[in-house]
Amino acid sequence: GAVVSQHPSRVICKSGTSVKIECRSLDFQATTMFWYRQFPKQSLMLMATSNEGSKATYEQGVEKDKFLINHASLTLSTLTVTSAHPEDSSFYICSARDGGAETQYFGPGTRLLVL
Amino acid sequence: GQNIDQPTEMTATEGAIVQINCTYQTSGFNGLFWYQQHAGEAPTFLSYNVLDGLEEKGRFSSFLSRSKGYSYLLLKELQMKDSASYLCAVRDIPTDKLIFGTGTRLQVFP
Repeated sequence: GAVVSQHPSRVICKSGTSVKIECRSLDFQATTMFWYRQFPKQSLMLMATSNEGSKATYEQGVEKDKFLINHASLTLSTLTVTSAHPEDSSFYICSARDGGAETQYFGPGTRLLVL
Repeated sequence: GQNIDQPTEMTATEGAIVQINCTYQTSGFNGLFWYQQHAGEAPTFLSYNVLDGLEEKGRFSSFLSRSKGYSYLLLKELQMKDSASYLCAVRDIPTDKLIFGTGTRLQVFP
C-alpha cells in the first residue's frame, strides 16, 4: 500500500510553545489529507480536512487559530499546535488519500506531550 | 446524525474464529472500511466494502449489507498478534471524510 510518513514521532514541549507536525505522502500525490486526534482508549476524531492549495476545513469544535494547517504541496501537509497546553497532549495522526484510490492511508502518528 | 456502533471489547482463543459487528446510521454512504490498530500505533488498512456481500482477504473477511446498515469483520485462525483494536469507518458523502466507530478491542488468549 501507499506510504505516509509523519515527523516527529514523539515530541515533548513546554506549555505555551508551538509544535509543528509534518505529514508526507512518500510515493503518491495526495490532494487531500486528513488530521485526526486520538486520546487514550478512544477512537480517532477527525480534526480537519486539508486540501492542497486551499484552506483547511475544520470540524465543529476544533479551533482553526489554534490548530494551523498548511497543505503547501501535493505531498506535504503540516499541523501546527499553537500555544500548546497540557490538554492538547494526544496522539495526532494524519492520513492521505491517493486521488484515484478508495483507501486512506495513515501515517505512523505523532505523540505530543505538553508539560 | 452520524452513528457507528461496535462492541467495546471481545475476547477469543488462539486458532478460533471471531466476528466483529458494526452497525451504522449516517447521512451519506460511500464505502465502509475496517482498520486494525495496535496499541500506540497508527491504524492499518484491512478491508473496504462498497457493494453488498463478502470480501475475503486471507484470514480476514468483511461483509456489508447496505440495506441493514450492517457490516462485520471475520477473523479466522486467530493468532496472538491479532490482539488489537479494530475500527469500523464509514466514508461520508459528499465530504469523503471517514467517520470512525469507537473501535473494538480484541484480546486473543492462548
